Amino acid sequence: EAQVTQNPRYLITVTGKKLTVTCSQNMNHEYMSWYRQDPGLGLRQIYYSMNVEVTDKGDVPEGYKVSRKEKRNFPLILESPSPNQTSLYFCASSPLNTAQHFGDGTRLSIL
Amino acid sequence: RKEVEQDPGPFNVPEGATVAFNCTYSNSASQSFFWYRQDCRKEPKLLMSVYSSGNEDGRFTAQLNRASQYISLLIRDSKLSDSATYLCVVRTPSGGSYIPTFGRGTSLIVHP
Repeated sequence: EAQVTQNPRYLITVTGKKLTVTCSQNMNHEYMSWYRQDPGLGLRQIYYSMNVEVTDKGDVPEGYKVSRKEKRNFPLILESPSPNQTSLYFCASSPLNTAQHFGDGTRLSIL
Repeated sequence: RKEVEQDPGPFNVPEGATVAFNCTYSNSASQSFFWYRQDCRKEPKLLMSVYSSGNEDGRFTAQLNRASQYISLLIRDSKLSDSATYLCVVRTPSGGSYIPTFGRGTSLIVHP
């Protein structure tokens, strides 16, 4: 089954404690991206990747890191999380110019 | 001016009604267009791609107007289950890729 898998689905943690949200896709897509969604602000792209070892900043990259060592995986890293990073996060993948497939989302709360 | 704009609504319509949403985009170089549906706090799901000639999928019809830079979504015979937020997405070429930009969504409420 074609899918984008994010883990964890839910996480409550504390300020400053490094965390990683994993994302994996099994469709051999070139393009992967991370979004955060906040009430009233819609989906905002954090980082994206066009292919292995190619990543670029989206609209709201501050406080986040990503890596793309393999085509299927695109983890999102918060080195020192802060409460303003409490949000709903989505990973998505696609070929370069077609519709994206989304993961189920990760609800992140930082106290 | 935001790159992709949608009327947030909500559009409150009775079952069976026909409802239409528009979405405007600012970059004339944009190349691909999509409508997604998102239920509360769940992942966006592709509803349909939008083609230049217009396309239809059951009760849903999507149109693209490149001259005026907008896309539209028409829903006929609305069902209660159509209640959701509808997101338009535009992909624009940049640096060898096609960057997706989302509108903030239009909320639809279908009532009995």
